[in-house]
Amino acid sequence: RKEVEQDPGPFNVPEGATVAFNCTYSNSASQSFFWYRQDCRKEPKLLMSVYSSGNEDGRFTAQLNRASQYISLLIRDSKLSDSATYLCVVNGMDSSYKLIFGSGTRLLVRP
Amino acid sequence: EPEVTQTPSHQVTQMGQEVILRCVPISNHLYFYWYRQILGQKVEFLVSFYNNEISEKSEIFDDQFSVERPDGSNFTLKIRSTKLEDSAMYFCASSAGTVAPGELFFGEGSRLTVL
Repeated sequence: RKEVEQDPGPFNVPEGATVAFNCTYSNSASQSFFWYRQDCRKEPKLLMSVYSSGNEDGRFTAQLNRASQYISLLIRDSKLSDSATYLCVVNGMDSSYKLIFGSGTRLLVRP
Repeated sequence: EPEVTQTPSHQVTQMGQEVILRCVPISNHLYFYWYRQILGQKVEFLVSFYNNEISEKSEIFDDQFSVERPDGSNFTLKIRSTKLEDSAMYFCASSAGTVAPGELFFGEGSRLTVL
C-alpha cells in the first residue's frame, strides 16, 4: 500500500462548483497532516494544516478521519485561480519532520 | 515577505560531474530540508538538517549526496558524481521548528538536468 494515496484526477469543474478531494495514508502513527498546493513546475506551498476536529479557511475545508486514515479537502465556489495540483502530505513514521507527499490531485477550473 | 532562495534555477551537467545546489533559508528558521521531484512524479524527501547535522535522510540520500551549512546563511546540497536518474527539480525548504511540523517554506527549486 502506498504511504499516501490520492486520486490523480484531473477534476474538471466549472467556476463556482464545489469539489472534494480525498486522500488515504498508511501509517497510523502519523500525527501531522497537510494540504499543499503546487502550480505547474512551481514549488509546493502550504494550503492548510488538517486538524482532528476539522478546520476551515475561507472556501477551503479540511477533514481528518484517524480511524479510517483518511483526509479530505473541500473547495467551495471554485475560482479559475484554484486550478493546480493539490498534494496530500503527512509526516513520516519515524520523525515528525519528514514529510511524505502524495502524488497529487489535479484540479482544472473552467470558465 | 521572507522567502527561501535557491541557485542556480537550472543547471545542466554531464554524467559523472559534481554539482552543488545552493539555498538560503529564511533567516530565523532552524530546520532545513532538501526534497526532489522527478518530472511527473511526487515530491520526495531527501534529508533534514538541524543544529549543524543531518537529523535524518531517506534511502535516496546515498553516499553520492552530502549537505553542508558552510556559514550562517547558506545550505548546500552536493551530488558528487551525477547519474542520469538524478535529473529532477531539487527543492530546498526551511521551517521555524517552533510551529507544527510540516509548515515548510519551499524555495522555487533548482532544476538539474544530467546528460
